Amino acid sequence: DGGITQSPKYLFRKEGQNVTLSCEQNLNHDAMYWYRQDPGQGLRLIYYSQIVNDFQKGDIAEGYSVSREKKESFPLTVTSAQKNPTAFYLCASSTSSARQETQYFGPGTRLLVL
Amino acid sequence: AQSVTQLDSQVPVFEEAPVELRCNYSSSVSVYLFWYVQYPNQGLQLLLKYLSGSTLVKGINGFEAEFNKSQTSFHLRKPSVHISDTAEYFCAVSDRADKLIFGTGTRLQVFP
Repeated sequence: DGGITQSPKYLFRKEGQNVTLSCEQNLNHDAMYWYRQDPGQGLRLIYYSQIVNDFQKGDIAEGYSVSREKKESFPLTVTSAQKNPTAFYLCASSTSSARQETQYFGPGTRLLVL
Repeated sequence: AQSVTQLDSQVPVFEEAPVELRCNYSSSVSVYLFWYVQYPNQGLQLLLKYLSGSTLVKGINGFEAEFNKSQTSFHLRKPSVHISDTAEYFCAVSDRADKLIFGTGTRLQVFP
């Protein structure tokens, strides 16, 4: 089955700790995205990548980092600089980053701070 | 800059009743518009999208939406809802930088 997998489903972070959220896709998509979802705020774009070895900041990139070493993988690291990391994180991919392309979403990772 | 407004944060409705979820957008360029659905604790799934052509767009699960350029709207409708339609619905516009701008979402609650 083709799709997007995110792991873990739940993740707990301690003060001062960096944590990494995994996102893998087997759809052969070039573009990948990370969103943060908070209640009542919709989805906000953190980072996106149009192609391997390239990525751009979204609207709320501070306190986050990404890498895109392989086409199928786009991990997100939530660093200790992100002071309010509790949220639902969604990864998505699309054939390309063209405006008309549909984005396909993974099941999400819920990050909680201990 | 593009933006999306979903005026209703919650819409309660009884089963088999019709429903309309409102979406208005602002954009200075030609738009591509999307509706996504999110079931509890899951990712988003595309319901339908408008790229060009007919202003009435039909999607999955019996939903449809109408693009109205003069009113800058893209309202989502279903003539008869089911309990299983209970979910959060997001309207989105694709901006000139190839990014999706999402509205804040409308929670549709269907009661028996």
